[in-house]
Amino acid sequence: RKEVEQDPGPFNVPEGATVAFNCTYSNSASQSFFWYRQDCRKEPKLLMSVYSSGNEDGRFTAQLNRASQYISLLIRDSKLSDSATYLCVVTRLGGNTGKLIFGQGTTLQVKP
Amino acid sequence: DTGVSQDPRHKITKRGQNVTFRCDPISEHNRLYWYRQTLGQGPEFLTYFQNEAQLEKSRLLSDRFSAERPKGSFSTLEIQRTEQGDSAMYLCASSLGGNKNTEAFFGQGTRLTVV
Repeated sequence: RKEVEQDPGPFNVPEGATVAFNCTYSNSASQSFFWYRQDCRKEPKLLMSVYSSGNEDGRFTAQLNRASQYISLLIRDSKLSDSATYLCVVTRLGGNTGKLIFGQGTTLQVKP
Repeated sequence: DTGVSQDPRHKITKRGQNVTFRCDPISEHNRLYWYRQTLGQGPEFLTYFQNEAQLEKSRLLSDRFSAERPKGSFSTLEIQRTEQGDSAMYLCASSLGGNKNTEAFFGQGTRLTVV
């Protein structure tokens, strides 16, 4: 079983739709959580960090559920430019445990 | 440009040859990571450094792979006796490590094709 799992999709949605992605992680020692965005043939870039209390950045909302070991990303009012792969990333705090562990990625296609 | 830079951007090599890639991280970043990514997959962890110390190396990596960061600045990743299965995008990232993990910034990657 992979340490970080995502549904690869693709998710095909019309412009203006609301779409949600989930990601599960298996290691309860995971402490930091992120969503990265990766455009086709480009490098991953940070979309947002995920905090225990949940956080929002414009049309994007991230939630963390430690008890069930999953994080989610909600995109409201989808734009064509949101089409990309969304990567769930977990890591652990402190010491030598600093590696970033990526999920497979979820592909989103927003259609006109 | 003060971001993470990787060289070369593309490399085509014959099976059995050795290749070396270079990564220059953001100057104040003490952590440097190497990842490999194939089509349809997320980045797969290879190894990472804090300053010049290599803290972890993936058990999935064979002995043909080696990485160095001799002065705690740039890093090199060498693949010896390349195989067709080594064809992938090799990504480097850097971050400020410590008690609070901060954003990792990625380079544009080196795309390796083994023929």
